[in-house]
Amino acid sequence: EVQLVESGGGLVQPGRSLRLSCAASGFTFDDYAMHWVRQAPGKGLEWVSGISWNSGSIGYADSVKGRFTISRDNAKNSLYLQMNSLRAEDTALYYCAKSRDPSSPDAFDIWGQGTMVTVSS
Amino acid sequence: AIQLTQSPSSLSASVGDRVTITCRASQGISSALAWYQQKPGKAPKLLIYDASSLESGVPSRFSGSGSGTDFTLTISSLQPEDFATYYCQQFNNFGQGTKLEIK
Repeated sequence: EVQLVESGGGLVQPGRSLRLSCAASGFTFDDYAMHWVRQAPGKGLEWVSGISWNSGSIGYADSVKGRFTISRDNAKNSLYLQMNSLRAEDTALYYCAKSRDPSSPDAFDIWGQGTMVTVSS
Repeated sequence: AIQLTQSPSSLSASVGDRVTITCRASQGISSALAWYQQKPGKAPKLLIYDASSLESGVPSRFSGSGSGTDFTLTISSLQPEDFATYYCQQFNNFGQGTKLEIK
């Protein structure tokens, strides 16, 4: 079964750090670009960051640039998001998502169940 | 940055209705558009990619069309399980969502 399972969310104070993980199974992980997408409570979807299959191409939303770092370990079939200098507006459900096509950064065909990050004092 | 604007933001319809949701891009994006369905408490589900290609396992009552800046998602005959929020996406940009509710 193709599956993505996120972990690492929780309650954290403003200014602190948190590291999210996403464990992939059921597909050839190192063939595909991967992404983090977040959704604040009651709000829409926001792309956060993406990484190519070999980590050669990385992108970030302006809202997290300089604070968040995406990485992957293809040997462990895992995706990560290091979040530093967290702000209240980073409070959201964070999804890990897989690109549908290895050669095109278009749609995301597999999503995890999400991990909640709450930034509050 | 490309902006995607969906209309309407919300829509009330009945089972059996034909429904169309529109997504307009601020600049041309060829056919690089996807549509997702999201139900409360669940992750988004891919319905359509490349503007008009139906994702495997998605019912054929869902269809997509358009290219350039104007795109549509059509549900030909609404079923009870279709009441959800729908999003369009172009790579790192999402529309604001359209909430489809039961009339």
